[in-house]
Amino acid sequence: GAVVSQHPSWVICKSGTSVKIECRSLDFQATTMFWYRQFPKQSLMLMATSNEGSKATYEQGVEKDKFLINHASLTLSTLTVTSAHPEDSSFYICSAQGGLSYNEQFFGPGTRLTVL
Amino acid sequence: DQQVKQNSPSLSVQEGRISILNCDYTNSMFDYFLWYKKYPAEGPTFLISISSIKDKNEDGRFTVFLNKSAKHLSLHIVPSQPGDSAVYFCAASGGSGGGADGLTFGKGTHLIIQP
Repeated sequence: GAVVSQHPSWVICKSGTSVKIECRSLDFQATTMFWYRQFPKQSLMLMATSNEGSKATYEQGVEKDKFLINHASLTLSTLTVTSAHPEDSSFYICSAQGGLSYNEQFFGPGTRLTVL
Repeated sequence: DQQVKQNSPSLSVQEGRISILNCDYTNSMFDYFLWYKKYPAEGPTFLISISSIKDKNEDGRFTVFLNKSAKHLSLHIVPSQPGDSAVYFCAASGGSGGGADGLTFGKGTHLIIQP
């Protein structure tokens, strides 16, 4: 149980384009989903927290207009990187919290974004 | 400013021996701590957690110890197995139990189990 999927697993795009990443909790309802970013040899950094049906809460330094988060249902959250630039290239990981393990976060496999 | 610190980037341990991974934190509001295992290009996998009201939690080969006064926790793996080779992240969250808090991660320790 507690499986979280992400799609796509990797994406390469041109500078200036937008990229959408999906995060799904497959076997439980996620009351909250989180988006993290990991640069090489760095720790995972929390970008934003999203609750179903409400606006996401962004961490300091994360541009909400650049990283659009939608949490339309209890099993799906999307992160859209708008007008991506090479410095946005990173490993984006989502996690979901909910169900019986309310205090644990279950992570997706991550999405490798490369912006050319 | 790193609120969760893992000062050892890597650790090499012989198979069958005990692996001890350390983690320090600075934020006294953290009340829940977790350890995750991560392979390259994959998401972290939850290993074990501990609430601040406890000082020890054990699950099979994994034991986490928490020293609140020292703001220090450690993960013990015994006996260490080759499949344990991975990067281990210490993470912490604040607020009351059950709250939807994002996690603050350390930079990770790369554990290498030698045959």
